[in-house]
Amino acid sequence: NAGVTQTPKFRILKIGQSMTLQCAQDMNHNYMYWYRQDPGMGLKLIYYSVGAGITDKGEVPNGYNVSRSTTEDFPLRLELAAPSQTSVYFCASSSLAASNYGYTFGSGTRLTVV
Amino acid sequence: EDQVTQSPEALRLQEGESSSLNCSYTVSGLRGLFWYRQDPGKGPEFLFTLYSAGEEKEKERLKATLTKKESFLHITAPKPEDSATYLCAVQEINYGQNFVFGPGTRLSVLP
Repeated sequence: NAGVTQTPKFRILKIGQSMTLQCAQDMNHNYMYWYRQDPGMGLKLIYYSVGAGITDKGEVPNGYNVSRSTTEDFPLRLELAAPSQTSVYFCASSSLAASNYGYTFGSGTRLTVV
Repeated sequence: EDQVTQSPEALRLQEGESSSLNCSYTVSGLRGLFWYRQDPGKGPEFLFTLYSAGEEKEKERLKATLTKKESFLHITAPKPEDSATYLCAVQEINYGQNFVFGPGTRLSVLP
């Protein structure tokens, strides 16, 4: 199993540009999440989804958008990139049936906005 | 507001030198406390889940314990391959699948 796959692994954006971070999972998990990780800070939840067609805001949603048209995919859209969005982004998934195993994380996307 | 703190921020050990990492939390109701290991350039990897005070879980050289206010990750006779950042996260009882993560403890084990 591939688990959670994130693309790209690295990206440099100019201020004001837009991009989509891709996330796909092959474990048939209902729950999917986007977190950002900044140095010295805990992972912060951006958006999450409890199933196809259902998304909700997390702690730090401003400047981001998501969609969930299938169980497998959960892309994160950055509109009008700002330096404050420089971070490492992690996608994760989980199953209510296996909630005692926590999240399965992707390997991350390192984004720099210049 | 739910809070999770971890100490120390960084820890350097000699191979074989046992120690403990701390995770302190404040939540209105705990559904579960999770420990993850994160290697540089990778996503966190699940280690343990603890649900109630007094519970303990073990895996190789690692043992996690839980009280009503904190959790400890005990590392016995560590090896260089145990070097990583260790994250704890709490799942609040009324907040579904969302976790609150601590900032992590960066562990270095020197040969």
